[in-house]
Amino acid sequence: DAGITQSPRHKVTETGTPVTLRCHQTENHRYMYWYRQDPGHGLRLIHYSYGVKDTDKGEVSDGYSVSRSKTEDFLLTLESATSSQTSVYFCGSGGNTGELFFGEGSRLTVL
Amino acid sequence: QQQVKQSPQSLIVQKGGISIINCAYENTAFDYFPWYQQFPGKGPALLIAIRPDVSEKKEGRFTISFNKSAKQFSLHIMDSQPGDSATYFCAASAYNSGNTPLVFGKGTRLSVIA
Repeated sequence: DAGITQSPRHKVTETGTPVTLRCHQTENHRYMYWYRQDPGHGLRLIHYSYGVKDTDKGEVSDGYSVSRSKTEDFLLTLESATSSQTSVYFCGSGGNTGELFFGEGSRLTVL
Repeated sequence: QQQVKQSPQSLIVQKGGISIINCAYENTAFDYFPWYQQFPGKGPALLIAIRPDVSEKKEGRFTISFNKSAKQFSLHIMDSQPGDSATYFCAASAYNSGNTPLVFGKGTRLSVIA
């Protein structure tokens, strides 16, 4: 399995507070991704990165920002969390083969 | 606009039977089609993948069938076992067009009963 770790694995927060989820990979993968998973919606892309400091928006990027200052780390930030951002967030990484490997997920609850 | 449509949403199969999950796509630039398996509380795991230069790929009990002209691909699980009970996702990307991110279907919850 690809060495991808997400932290925190579980978080409960209140509406309006900032939240940062961290993804760390040890595979030296060029590409990193943040998806959210909600019942009935499958996996939807939030943001992705194709290199250090190179990022782009996905399908559901509103309310989220990302940063990648090192190859191994990809941060997802919710500047002001809302209840609609309650979800399970998955980080993924991959190289030039097209394959994508996922972490174990971060469950976020916004009250 | 859903780029990858997956069916059925749920599937119940008897142990030893064949499980079949179907996906259809619209973007003709898609050229990489993986399937993921996800158990409760875990991240999706890459199961098997196909590129459009072949019409079928088999790995153990898992087979992908690909029909480029129909823009459809399917996952067949032969001799289904209770341990195969999980949620399965198909996905697609345009690998040769800049390695675009994977677009996922909405998933199929498979239950294999004894």
